[in-house]
Amino acid sequence: DTAVSQTPKYLVTQMGNDKSIKCEQNLGHDTMYWYKQDSKKFLKIMFSYNNKELIINETVPNRFSPKSPDKAHLNLHINSLELGDSAVYFCASSQVSHYGKLFFGSGTQLSVL
Amino acid sequence: DAKTTQPPSMDCAEGRAANLPCNHSTISGNEYVYWYRQIHSQGPQYIIHGLKNNETNEMASLIITEDRKSSTLILPHATLRDTAVYYCIVRAHNAGGTSYGKLTFGQGTILTVHP
Repeated sequence: DTAVSQTPKYLVTQMGNDKSIKCEQNLGHDTMYWYKQDSKKFLKIMFSYNNKELIINETVPNRFSPKSPDKAHLNLHINSLELGDSAVYFCASSQVSHYGKLFFGSGTQLSVL
Repeated sequence: DAKTTQPPSMDCAEGRAANLPCNHSTISGNEYVYWYRQIHSQGPQYIIHGLKNNETNEMASLIITEDRKSSTLILPHATLRDTAVYYCIVRAHNAGGTSYGKLTFGQGTILTVHP
């Protein structure tokens, strides 16, 4: 069983569209995250949720809205997609007792045309 | 979190030990050294972490100098599947608040293991 799974793996869409990426973890973790890896391969945190509560929002445009229906799921909805949103988005999770040890999903490659 | 410096790339022959260095001269007393790697087209993978003592697990060994200003990740018998970008990260072990799970990734070291 995949510990952190995200769908879809690839997402190709037009500018201005709205899209969602889903993430689920079966590790029993309380904390989940979204990270973004840009074209230069820099990996940066976007959001952190602890027990369904938003903890970190790293100055991400409000077109990005994470939603956590329960502790095992953290979805990312993006409105009015822009060319600059093209990147690989990674979901991750960790235990409350060990915030430095993250388990990452395999990523969603978003291409905005 | 302290800044880290790693060589941009390294090569290693298959079956030999790969020693990846990391400088973190501004590390503070409560900060741990973490290593992650990212194999092509996959998400980052946790490898190991340590505070001041040397650590070993099934994947690698971590050697931290006595002054804690640098460390070395050792893959004892590198295989082709170890080809990846390796990231050295320092952070407070269980920093909460606005640091929940925040890992500051640098450029990392591209390790290429060749036959």
